Amino acid sequence: QKEVEQNSGPLSVPEGAIASLNCTYSDRVSQSFFWYRQYSGKSPELIMSIYSNGDKEDGRFTAQLNKASQYVSLLIRDSQPSDSATYLCAVKSANTDKLIFGTGTRLQVFP
Amino acid sequence: GAGVSQTPSNKVTEKGKYVELRCDPISGHTALYWYRQSLGQGPEFLIYFQGTGAADDSGLPNDRFFAVRPEGSVSTLKIQRTERGDSAVYLCASRVTVNTEAFFGQGTRLTVV
Repeated sequence: QKEVEQNSGPLSVPEGAIASLNCTYSDRVSQSFFWYRQYSGKSPELIMSIYSNGDKEDGRFTAQLNKASQYVSLLIRDSQPSDSATYLCAVKSANTDKLIFGTGTRLQVFP
Repeated sequence: GAGVSQTPSNKVTEKGKYVELRCDPISGHTALYWYRQSLGQGPEFLIYFQGTGAADDSGLPNDRFFAVRPEGSVSTLKIQRTERGDSAVYLCASRVTVNTEAFFGQGTRLTVV
């Protein structure tokens, strides 16, 4: 079992729809969770971080964390073609400072 | 500097050669990470520095890979006897301290032919 798992996609949604991206992790003591966006040929950039159970909203983005289910998700409301990218889930364990990344989900938003 | 700087941006080398990849983190960032990313994959952790010391090098794939950060700022990733399987984008990231945002450089694309 991989430490951080994501569906590779592509996830295709129409412009204006809600895109839902999911991530599961195996380390129960994980304490910090991050979503990075990576455009093709570019480096990852942080879009959301979440540390406690529940929802965290920032503009069109909402991160959701359920530690009991070891599940973290990212919702993108009013999706735009410019949101088309690969979304990487990253997890930091309580026991180490390294970030473990999933393989990423490729999102395609079509006009 | 304004961001994390990595040089060179591209490196083509022959199998068996030695290469050095450089990372210049954001000024004042004490934590520095090296990752390797292959096509279609997420970044794979290699090594993490806190200051001058390697706090966690558990991701280095074998003893051909080595990294240093002698003055707690610039870091160099060194790969000996390169193999074609080493071809990837090598990413460097830095953060002020743990639990703060990690900023990535643009990466070095290494191609071993």
